[in-house]
Amino acid sequence: SAVISQKPSRDICQRGTSLTIQCQVDSQVTMMFWYRQQPGQSLTLIATANQGSEATYESGFVIDKFPISRPNLTFSTLTVSNMSPEDSSIYLCSGQGYTEAFFGQGTRLTVV
Amino acid sequence: AQSVTQLGSHVSVSEGALVLLRCNYSSSVPPYLFWYVQYPNQGLQLLLKYTTGATLVKGINGFEAEFKKSETSFHLTKPSAHMSDAAEYFCAVSDQGGSEKLVFGKGMKLTVNP
Repeated sequence: SAVISQKPSRDICQRGTSLTIQCQVDSQVTMMFWYRQQPGQSLTLIATANQGSEATYESGFVIDKFPISRPNLTFSTLTVSNMSPEDSSIYLCSGQGYTEAFFGQGTRLTVV
Repeated sequence: AQSVTQLGSHVSVSEGALVLLRCNYSSSVPPYLFWYVQYPNQGLQLLLKYTTGATLVKGINGFEAEFKKSETSFHLTKPSAHMSDAAEYFCAVSDQGGSEKLVFGKGMKLTVNP
C-alpha cells in the first residue's frame, strides 16, 4: 500500500491570497488526483496531476484558479489562488496504486 | 456520466445492531464500485471494492457489500456494529468503468450508540 502525506493539514487564510498544498507519496503511483470536499458535500475531482505536463482539469475547474504541478512520480502540489470564502473546503490528494486509490489526510482550508 | 446516491447524511445504530448503508449508482458502462471509510481527522481508507466476478464482496473490519446490477445498488452491511465503526462512509464509482477517477456519493456519517 501507499502512504500519502499532505501538508499543511489545515490553514486559515485571508481572502485574495494563495495557498500551496503539498502531496508526497511514499511509493510510485500510476496517477495522482486532487479532490475537493466542500462542507456537507461529496468529494469532487478537481484535476488529474500529470507528471511533467499540464494537469487535466474537470469541468468547472481552471488552471488559473487551481494550478497543479507534478514534477515527479511521487510528488504533487495544488495551489488555491486568489482565495475567497467559497474556497473553504477540505482538499485531498489521491494516488492510484495497482489495485486501489490511496488518499492523504486532507488539508482543511478556511478562508476569512 | 457516472453518479452515486447515498440517501440521507446520518445513520445511528446501537452497538451490536446491523449496519446497513445504502448506495445506488448510475453508470453507462459496467461499473467498478467502492466503499471508503473516513475516521475523524484521517484520510479515506478503502473498505472494499467490486470490479468483476463475485457480486458479494467482503472487506475489512467485517463489512461486506453486494453488487446488484438489476437494482443498480451496492449496499454496505455489517452484522454487528462496534463502537469503533463510528465514521463517515463514502460510496464511489469509477468514472468510465475502470479508470482511476472516482465519483463519490455525499457520504453517510455512522454513529454507534452504546
